[in-house]
Amino acid sequence: ETGVTQTPRHLVMGMTNKKSLKCEQHLGHNAMYWYKQSAKKPLELMFVYSLEERVENNSVPSRFSPECPNSSHLFLHLHTLQPEDSALYLCASSQDYGGTGGSYEQYFGPGTRLTVT
Amino acid sequence: ELKVEQNPLFLSMQEGKNYTIYCNYSTTSDRLYWYRQDPGKSLESLFVLLSNGAVKQEGRLMASLDTKARLSTLHITAAVHDLSATYFCAVEGWGAQGGSEKLVFGKGTKLTVNP
Repeated sequence: ETGVTQTPRHLVMGMTNKKSLKCEQHLGHNAMYWYKQSAKKPLELMFVYSLEERVENNSVPSRFSPECPNSSHLFLHLHTLQPEDSALYLCASSQDYGGTGGSYEQYFGPGTRLTVT
Repeated sequence: ELKVEQNPLFLSMQEGKNYTIYCNYSTTSDRLYWYRQDPGKSLESLFVLLSNGAVKQEGRLMASLDTKARLSTLHITAAVHDLSATYFCAVEGWGAQGGSEKLVFGKGTKLTVNP
């Protein structure tokens, strides 16, 4: 595997279910991101992890819970979601985050298409 | 706080025509990226512009960066249907919460090329 991978690619879940999205990067990067993309809002940054520490949480509801066990893996745990949470969830990684003079270009995974019924 | 604005947000054009997408940003930066996204797919890196005056070309797309004007352009030459996609620019700088340098994305330009 190369680049950034995400599983599953498609997920349909009920509002009472609990599920998790997984992201893995094979680039040796130090930062990982979760984005939500829906028809109404093009690209929303949800969470950022740098060196396994959460550095940004952009007012995301608590029904979304991120986890970064190491610098290569990022999870998004989902529970009691609402239909408006249906969207494409994108994971990305970059070499650096924060500071100056680093490399911040982001590499994106293929996304998980989530449908909440 | 770095803000990135793209225009137009929606662009419908005919095959064979030329057009330019603009990306303006609010604070000093000399690194800018262009991404392409096909419907339902992820973002794919198109161009990386790392200095003032940088120009990159790939097929019918050409991107340039003017750091003094805080402006990047993505020029489309003789458009074809396959170029239909959403194009995002992203700029390195200090984001809304300050504190550290990061990548800030524009809202994207949805391009439709009609036969």
